Amino acid sequence: AIWMTQSPSLLSASTGDRVTISCRMSQGISSYLAWYQQKPGKAPELLIYAASTLQSGVPSRFSGSGSGTDFTLTISCLQSEDFATYYCQQYYSFPWTFGQGTKVEIK
Amino acid sequence: EVQLVESGGGLVQPGGSLRLSCAASGFTFSSYSMNWVRQAPGKGLEWVSYISSSSSTIYYADSVKGRFTISRDNAKNSLYLQMNSLRAEDTAVYYCARGETPSNPLDYWGQGTLVTVSS
Repeated sequence: AIWMTQSPSLLSASTGDRVTISCRMSQGISSYLAWYQQKPGKAPELLIYAASTLQSGVPSRFSGSGSGTDFTLTISCLQSEDFATYYCQQYYSFPWTFGQGTKVEIK
Repeated sequence: EVQLVESGGGLVQPGGSLRLSCAASGFTFSSYSMNWVRQAPGKGLEWVSYISSSSSTIYYADSVKGRFTISRDNAKNSLYLQMNSLRAEDTAVYYCARGETPSNPLDYWGQGTLVTVSS
């Protein structure tokens, strides 16, 4: 199985901040990486796929980068509705795996 | 509008069985692969199982292999998860999620159904 290390697990930030979340793979996965946002009591929602492609309807302040083993999710200007938990996921090979999650909280 | 609606969750004793269902609408169900993903209370996401559009290819997480069975009925636009020999660690919200192919991410998710395994 491909192991993922997502960091940080908790990120305290203010509205307007630029935040970055990292996801590192135990082996290369090309660009088969997705990012999801989950709010309390809700299902996850797809933000980014193929490492850097924005899902339809997702604000442009979200961006993704990376390939191989190292990936990054960036929120350029944090908005109130962005306080949530974020997960990376590899779909390069089964078993699919998710990162441990990063909770973005209000500072 | 794509909709995925799970049902069948509830309280079950350890060693018991439960069958989850996921009703799909708003897209051509028979053209899409489907998955089950779970989330234990306060924990992260765990992929559980995958089934291809024609049911020809199936995968399971090691944690459920031999105990859970995924299936689908394309005529009924429905996905299922038969869960046997349930354990306390299977307690979670179970989501069905759509992915067009194994090379695509999970682009739509249901609202989830809670399974609690406890005596």
